[in-house]
Amino acid sequence: KQEVTQIPAALSVPEGENLVLNCSFTDSAIYNLQWFRQDPGKGLTSLLLIQSSQREQTSGRLNASLDKSSGRSTLYIAASQPGDSATYLCAVRDSGNTPLVFGKGTRLSVIA
Amino acid sequence: DAGVIQSPRHEVTEMGQEVTLRCKPISGHDYLFWYRQTMMRGLELLIYFNNNVPIDDSGMPEDRFSAKMPNASFSTLKIQPSEPRDSAVYFCASSRPGLWTQYFGPGTRLTVL
Repeated sequence: KQEVTQIPAALSVPEGENLVLNCSFTDSAIYNLQWFRQDPGKGLTSLLLIQSSQREQTSGRLNASLDKSSGRSTLYIAASQPGDSATYLCAVRDSGNTPLVFGKGTRLSVIA
Repeated sequence: DAGVIQSPRHEVTEMGQEVTLRCKPISGHDYLFWYRQTMMRGLELLIYFNNNVPIDDSGMPEDRFSAKMPNASFSTLKIQPSEPRDSAVYFCASSRPGLWTQYFGPGTRLTVL
């Protein structure tokens, strides 16, 4: 059974810092991996989707990498801003038509 | 597109009452998912549908929970009778084959007293 772990559970950084959020999964035979952002009291917003054949995806200040063989993904946020404060969730899909399996998220606080 | 729509946004009820949560997926999406989120357990899949047919309901906690999808644009999650431990945020999400990106609704925050 696929399990997804995110470390750390919470992170606080000063504005302007570059930071890395970590995600690990137990079964490396994944179809794709997705990073989401969740603001307090809100739903999930998809940030980046990495297919199993890809190594990374970039969107603005965000860069997500995938190392299937080691069962790991990282989300890199450059020049962090207070508006980046949210919970970031990692989720993997084992095959094309199966649901996502989520980690518990990393709660990020960027201090001005 | 309006995105995934859920109602109500907040529900407060007393133990033993029936609760019905509603979801309208994005038009053209043929997969619909119901999740529950709590601090302790994170985001858990309850059930998902493909073309209105339930595919996997192994995440439904017990017989008090039931879900239906009578047509491509509407789904319900019902809890009868509700219990305080059912208090959580319930999310609906939809997707279509291809990219498989899931789009989430804003959630329903359920409080059972």
